[in-house]
Amino acid sequence: DGGITQSPKYLFRKEGQNVTLSCEQNLNHDAMYWYRQDPGQGLRLIYYSQIVNDFQKGDIAEGYSVSREKKESFPLTVTSAQKNPTAFYLCASSVETGGYGSPLHFGNGTRLTVT
Amino acid sequence: AQSVAQPEDQVNVAEGNPLTVKCTYSVSGNPYLFWYVQYPNRGLQFLLKYITGDNLVKGSYGFEAEFNKSQTSFHLKKPSALVSDSALYFCAVRDSNAGGTSYGKLTFGQGTILTVHP
Repeated sequence: DGGITQSPKYLFRKEGQNVTLSCEQNLNHDAMYWYRQDPGQGLRLIYYSQIVNDFQKGDIAEGYSVSREKKESFPLTVTSAQKNPTAFYLCASSVETGGYGSPLHFGNGTRLTVT
Repeated sequence: AQSVAQPEDQVNVAEGNPLTVKCTYSVSGNPYLFWYVQYPNRGLQFLLKYITGDNLVKGSYGFEAEFNKSQTSFHLKKPSALVSDSALYFCAVRDSNAGGTSYGKLTFGQGTILTVHP
């Protein structure tokens, strides 16, 4: 079955450490996205990529970095510069680059806890 | 700037009764509207969308939504609620006038927790 795989499901890190969240899709989608979800705040866009080797900052990119070396993969690194990294992170993809009518397909998320 | 408001943090209904989850939006151009559902510790699942055409849109699991341009609303409805419908629901909007970018930013509402009681 096609879909988006995020790993790991739960991740625990000490403050000051960088951590990388994995996102892989086999839907052959061009566009991929990273969102952060906090209780009562909806989803906020961190980074998005419309094509391989290109990505753009979203609304809350500070303290995060991404890469898009392959169409299928869009890993997110949460750096030590991110002040409040504990959150639920969601990766998504869509079939059309700039396709406004195309819904996003989401992975099942990674819950990151930093202590 | 585009925005979405879901005025109710929580909606409670009895099983078998109709349900409505409210959503209003603000965009400069024409809206592309979406509803998603999220179960605990899972990603979002797409339910339905409005792009153009009929104001009443039908989606997955018996859900439908009504687009009202004059009221800038896109309320989610279901004629008969099930306990299994209990989840977190998100409304989202894209503006057809995305400026010079080729990316149409998708803005989400805060979410509404739907609880269906047996």
